[in-house]
Amino acid sequence: AQSVSQHNHHVILSEAASLELGCNYSYGGTVNLFWYVQYPGQHLQLLLKYFSGDPLVKGIKGFEAEFIKSKFSFNLRKPSVQWSDTAEYFCAVNAVNTNAGKSTFGDGTTLTVKP
Amino acid sequence: DTAVSQTPKYLVTQMGNDKSIKCEQNLGHDTMYWYKQDSKKFLKIMFSYNNKELIINETVPNRFSPKSPDKAHLNLHINSLELGDSAVYFCASSHLTTGLAEAFFGQGTRLTVV
Repeated sequence: AQSVSQHNHHVILSEAASLELGCNYSYGGTVNLFWYVQYPGQHLQLLLKYFSGDPLVKGIKGFEAEFIKSKFSFNLRKPSVQWSDTAEYFCAVNAVNTNAGKSTFGDGTTLTVKP
Repeated sequence: DTAVSQTPKYLVTQMGNDKSIKCEQNLGHDTMYWYKQDSKKFLKIMFSYNNKELIINETVPNRFSPKSPDKAHLNLHINSLELGDSAVYFCASSHLTTGLAEAFFGQGTRLTVV
């Protein structure tokens, strides 16, 4: 079964700082990878996704993530964060053709951006 | 034109009661899910239905029973509610057969058991 590990539980940054959130997964086969964002009091929304092709994927709001297959990683980055990026960030992995489409989520990283 | 809608948004009830949460999606997806998010924000899958058939049933107490009358609906019924059931429950859907398992989430139902 696949699992997902997010290294940082709580990250605090000042506005304009650069962001990198770590995500590693364990599964030997083909995967789909996702980052979701959950703003305070809201539901999860897709930030970006990787299915195949270019391992550097760009998402909404200036976020990007890079899939490094050899490291089983899919880290999320943003060059300059804003106060409005304060939210919970979840990495998720879905093993293609198995597990009936179940996405396994990491435990989340709480990002607090100070104005 | 909400994609995945859940009702109610908030639910406060006493221990021992039975309650239901409803979920509907209008995306034409073939697979629907229930996730539970606890107070620490940890998100765990509970159930998944594909074309009305149960395909994922994680370790969840028997008091929780999902029902899918058609592939656009997945309801969650909870019997004999306990304090530990307090959480936010998210419904989600995806199009499994295309292999693109991106999940669309509902707004969540915040269940508080008192």
